[in-house]
Formats: sequence, structure tokens, C-alpha cells
Amino acid sequence: NAGVTQTPKFQVLKTGQSMTLQCAQDMNHEYMSWYRQDPGMGLRLIHYSVGAGITDQGEVPNGYNVSRSTTEDFPLRLLSAAPSQTSVYFCASSYWKGGDTQYFGPGTRLTVL
Amino acid sequence: AQSVSQHNHHVILSEAASLELGCNYSYGGTVNLFWYVQYPGQHLQLLLKYFSGDPLVKGIKGFEAEFIKSKFSFNLRKPSVQWSDTAEYFCAVRWPDMRFGAGTRLTVKP
Repeated sequence: NAGVTQTPKFQVLKTGQSMTLQCAQDMNHEYMSWYRQDPGMGLRLIHYSVGAGITDQGEVPNGYNVSRSTTEDFPLRLLSAAPSQTSVYFCASSYWKGGDTQYFGPGTRLTVL
Repeated sequence: AQSVSQHNHHVILSEAASLELGCNYSYGGTVNLFWYVQYPGQHLQLLLKYFSGDPLVKGIKGFEAEFIKSKFSFNLRKPSVQWSDTAEYFCAVRWPDMRFGAGTRLTVKP
């Protein structure tokens, strides 16, 4: 199993540009989520999904969109990048939402100029 | 507001010293508790978790944590740290979504 994979590993954007961060898992997990990691703030939940076709907002959803058309994939879209979105983004998955261990991807380091 | 607090931002220890990292949360209901570790340049890995039962939980690499419900705490301990334990440690609470503490950076000097 590859586990949770994320692409790209690094990305530099200019303010106002859009892009999609990719996340895929091959463990047949129903629950997937996106976090951002900022110094001194730990990880904060952006969006999550409890299954294909179902998504919901987390703690810091503004400026981000998600969709879940398949069990395996959970892309995160930045519609109009802002410097405040400079961060490291982690995708995670687990079998179910409540109480199960989450497995994290390697992260995407995003810089918005 | 619901939150997860980790008391120490940076802890520096010598090898063989004992470790205790504090974690407190403010959620009032039944929670699931986790400690994750992030080694330099790597992604988060689960150290241990508590769902129910024995409040003393043992994890990988000799780590353990104690859940004290009355104190809303879930402190991480290790009797004797090694240089390879140098990493950032995150406490997390799931109720119902995951909330992470700000992290504690541990530096172990050889």
C-alpha cells in the first residue's frame, strides 16, 4: 500500500492564482480530511469528508474548496491564493470519523507571494 | 472556546532524562485522545491513542500517556529519552472533529 499520497510536495503561487492540491489513499478509508500546519498553531482542520459525495467544513474553511467524487481522492482547491494561505498542507484518512487513527500524507509546502 | 493546550513550546533534555509533556483540553463530552509525533522532514505518525478503558495507555517506542478525566489532561511520558526522540509532538482531541495542540518541540542532546 502506498498509504496517503500528496502532490505536489512544493508549490509557489502568486497572489490571486488558483491551484489544486491532490490527495489520494489506497486503504479504502471513508474519512478524509485536510489540515494546514502553521508555526505555533499546530494543525487546523480545513475540510473533511465522511464518504464519496459528502464534504463538510472544519475549523478554517475560508478560501478553500473540496469535493469527493471517489473514495480514493480528496482534492483541495485554492480559488484565489492569498499570502495568508502560505502553509504546509496535510491530507489524512481513516476508516471512519469517530475515534479511528488517522494516517497522514507527507504534506505540501505552499508559498503564496 | 473548545481548545487543546500544550504547555511547553520547546523542551531540551539530555539523553536518559525523563520526559513529560503536558496536554489539556476543554471539551466536556466523551473524547478520543491522541499523541502524534513528527520527526524532522517527515509527516505525522501516531504514538498512542486513548478511546476508553485503562487510562494509562502505552504506545510505540516506550512512550505512554495517562488520561485524567477530572483534570481534562492527557500527558505524555517516557522514562528515558534518546537522541532519536528529537521531534515535534502533538496532542490531539477528537470531539467530533480533530483538534490539535500547537505542538511541543523536543530536542534531546546526546
